[in-house]
Amino acid sequence: DAGVTQTPRHEVAEKGQTIILKCEPVSGHNDLFWYRQTKIQGLELLSYFRSKSLMEDGGAFKDRFKAEMLNSSFSTLKIQPTEPKDSAVYLCASSLQGAPNERLFFGHGTKLSVL
Amino acid sequence: AQKVTQTQTSISVVEKTTVTMDCVYETRDSSYFLFWYKQTASGEIVFLIRQDSYKKENATVGHYSLNFQKPKSSIGLIITATQIEDSAVYFCAMRGYSNNRIFFGDGTQLVVKP
Repeated sequence: DAGVTQTPRHEVAEKGQTIILKCEPVSGHNDLFWYRQTKIQGLELLSYFRSKSLMEDGGAFKDRFKAEMLNSSFSTLKIQPTEPKDSAVYLCASSLQGAPNERLFFGHGTKLSVL
Repeated sequence: AQKVTQTQTSISVVEKTTVTMDCVYETRDSSYFLFWYKQTASGEIVFLIRQDSYKKENATVGHYSLNFQKPKSSIGLIITATQIEDSAVYFCAMRGYSNNRIFFGDGTQLVVKP
């Protein structure tokens, strides 16, 4: 089975640009999470979807961050406009809620550098 | 409030020894799930082991086991016979029934030396 796929692996953006990160969850999973990881803040939740419905939109990130789930097998995270402080690794994870062995499957992440 | 706390920032051990990583959590839920994940130097995060709050028996998978102390809201990860490749950052996480959000600790860096 394919795991969680994230593209691109690396992204370099100029301040003020719009960037879109992509995620394909594990087939059949109904929960999808977007996290941002930095050394200082650790893992921060950006968005959480259940069966394509947005369940949580990380408060501090509502301004310039927008996650969407157009179908059960694809999600995007748009950052508009980017700022240097957005430089981080963005992780997508999915899980099958209610499964006996429920746990998160993570993608390899997208490393974003904003100049 | 719901929160996960890992107080150990970094641990260094000699290979083939046993190491314990601490984790305490706060939750209002009577039922919840506790997890440990490992992040390798490449950045990949993988699931290691899970404990359901209603189970009294400590979970064990391979050379990973848990020390679940519910009255203390504690879920320690024990790695026996450590190997060099166990060097990584270990995250403790919790998911409650009332709130499907998953809370992560800040992680513990484990260094296993020859």
